[in-house]
Amino acid sequence: DAGVIQSPRHEVTEMGQEVTLRCKPISGHDYLFWYRQTMMRGLELLIYFNNNVPIDDSGMPEDRFSAKMPNASFSTLKIQPSEPRDSAVYFCASSFGGSGYTFGSGTRLTVV
Amino acid sequence: AQSVAQPEDQVNVAEGNPLTVKCTYSVSGNPYLFWYVQYPNRGLQFLLKYITGDNLVKGSYGFEAEFNKSQTSFHLKKPSALVSDSALYFCAALNTGFQKLVFGTGTRLLVSP
Repeated sequence: DAGVIQSPRHEVTEMGQEVTLRCKPISGHDYLFWYRQTMMRGLELLIYFNNNVPIDDSGMPEDRFSAKMPNASFSTLKIQPSEPRDSAVYFCASSFGGSGYTFGSGTRLTVV
Repeated sequence: AQSVAQPEDQVNVAEGNPLTVKCTYSVSGNPYLFWYVQYPNRGLQFLLKYITGDNLVKGSYGFEAEFNKSQTSFHLKKPSALVSDSALYFCAALNTGFQKLVFGTGTRLLVSP
């Protein structure tokens, strides 16, 4: 199993641009999570899905952030428009029934 | 609300000495507890977990953790530290009713030669 796959690994974009982060969870996992990591705030849960359905998006910071999971093997996190304060490492993780999360390698986003 | 506390931002230990990284939790019910490690520019790697049973849990790379229900603690330990153990360590708790893993703020472990 290749694990949780995130793309791109690094993204540099200009303020105001749309950014899309992608995640492929482990096959068979029924939960998918998006986290953001910054020095100031540590690891924050943004949103999570169960069987492709968003369950809790209370961690999504603003309406500029949106996440979708059109099928069991793919999810996106979109920021539109992006701002410099969105610069962070974004992690995707998946799990089966809460038995433990497997994290992707993350996407390092820099908004200039 | 669920919360996990890691009271130390950084732990310094000499190679060969035992190490302890502290964690306390506040989660209703019987939580699942985890330790993850993060090396620079990498994702989080699973170290070990406690679900039920023996209070001493053994994990990867010689790490172990002790669950103490009365103190609501889950401290990470290793008998003999290695320089290569230097990394950022996260404690996490899962309330199975909510399926949401809550992380502590992380503790940086620095093992000196």
